[in-house]
Amino acid sequence: DQQVKQNSPSLSVQEGRISILNCDYTNSMFDYFLWYKKYPAEGPTFLISISSIKDKNEDGRFTVFLNKSAKHLSLHIVPSQPGDSAVYFCAASASSSSNYKLTFGKGTLLTVNP
Amino acid sequence: DTEVTQTPKHLVMGMTNKKSLKCEQHMGHRAMYWYKQKAKKPPELMFVYSYEKLSINESVPSRFSPECPNSSLLNLHLHALQPEDSALYLCASSPPRGPVTEAFFGQGTRLTVV
Repeated sequence: DQQVKQNSPSLSVQEGRISILNCDYTNSMFDYFLWYKKYPAEGPTFLISISSIKDKNEDGRFTVFLNKSAKHLSLHIVPSQPGDSAVYFCAASASSSSNYKLTFGKGTLLTVNP
Repeated sequence: DTEVTQTPKHLVMGMTNKKSLKCEQHMGHRAMYWYKQKAKKPPELMFVYSYEKLSINESVPSRFSPECPNSSLLNLHLHALQPEDSALYLCASSPPRGPVTEAFFGQGTRLTVV
């Protein structure tokens, strides 16, 4: 049972436009969400996170939105740059759990075309 | 220092070999993790150490043996692996549970079992 779902395996956008990556979750206990960026043969790099007490968190070109009622979050990148081309993973954790476990989605490959 | 350092970066081993993967962080993080990632798949949690004690073993075969000698080091001892164990092995660490729970990942060890 996949508790974190990224239903779009890939996304292609033009440089300068907005990239929107989506993520859905099923576990109501999840209350902390993270986005990671990954280049081939490298470890994931933390991008941005959001706690369930917020509905928006912004860091430069990256904004994460959380809709708790829909169990949905999205990552907005604006403006998109060719260097943003990578696989983006959504991950979730439950602070009530003592085991620090992160559950990852399958990832979305973002390609930003010059 | 915001790095998680993994050695070696690449490892080729035979099915009868014994080898070890090493991971080090100096961020004062008290949770450390081993993940396994196959191509085009999300990272899969293997083990979690919390305050140097094993807190999660995700039903990993005994041919993988984790060790946490101190709060900065995490090892993964490998013995009698199978070709299907070939993957990118990622180490991560995170702060004690609180408002911020990002896991920082190392660059990974690309393991090939021949």
